[in-house]
Amino acid sequence: GAVVSQHPSRVICKSGTSVKIECRSLDFQATTMFWYRQFPKKSLMLMATSNEGSKATYEQGVEKDKFLINHASLTLSTLTVTSAHPEDSSFYICSARTSGSGGIYNEQFFGPGTRLTVL
Amino acid sequence: EDQVTQSPEALRLQEGESSSLNCSYTVSGLRGLFWYRQDPGKGPEFLFTLYSAGEEKEKERLKATLTKKESFLHITAPKPEDSATYLCAVQALGNTGFQKLVFGTGTRLLVSP
Repeated sequence: GAVVSQHPSRVICKSGTSVKIECRSLDFQATTMFWYRQFPKKSLMLMATSNEGSKATYEQGVEKDKFLINHASLTLSTLTVTSAHPEDSSFYICSARTSGSGGIYNEQFFGPGTRLTVL
Repeated sequence: EDQVTQSPEALRLQEGESSSLNCSYTVSGLRGLFWYRQDPGKGPEFLFTLYSAGEEKEKERLKATLTKKESFLHITAPKPEDSATYLCAVQALGNTGFQKLVFGTGTRLLVSP
């Protein structure tokens, strides 16, 4: 159980184009999903937190107009990188938090990641 | 500020050579400490959650323990397939009002046959 999928796993695009990444919780409902960015040999940096049906909350320094997040259902969140530039090239990972009982003591599961390369 | 520090940064072991990875943390109000395993080019794989000092959890060759200031991931008789980066994270209340995971930089473990 607790499987999170991401699509696509790899994407190469030209500078100036927009790219959409999908994140799905396959066997559980996730009221909260997270988007992270990871640089080579570095740890995960939280970009934004999204709750189903409401606007995403972005971390300081993350451009909300550049990284559009939509959490339309309890099993799907999307990240759109708009007008991508080479510096946006990175490994993007989504995560979903289980919504079981216990309030704050819920576990968080990660997708396999999406490697974005902007030429 | 919530912080997570992992040591060592990298660790090389011979197969069967047991060792421990350290995760020290400072957080205002711990709401859980998580251990993940990450293979190159993959997302983190959940291993354990610990909630209170004194708690221990085991899974195959791995055992995680928690004190008020740090957590240890003990690896007993490791095998080459245990080679990966091990990430530690604490769940904290972010300044946006939402709970979030604060990650350490990880320990890269290499187990040689």
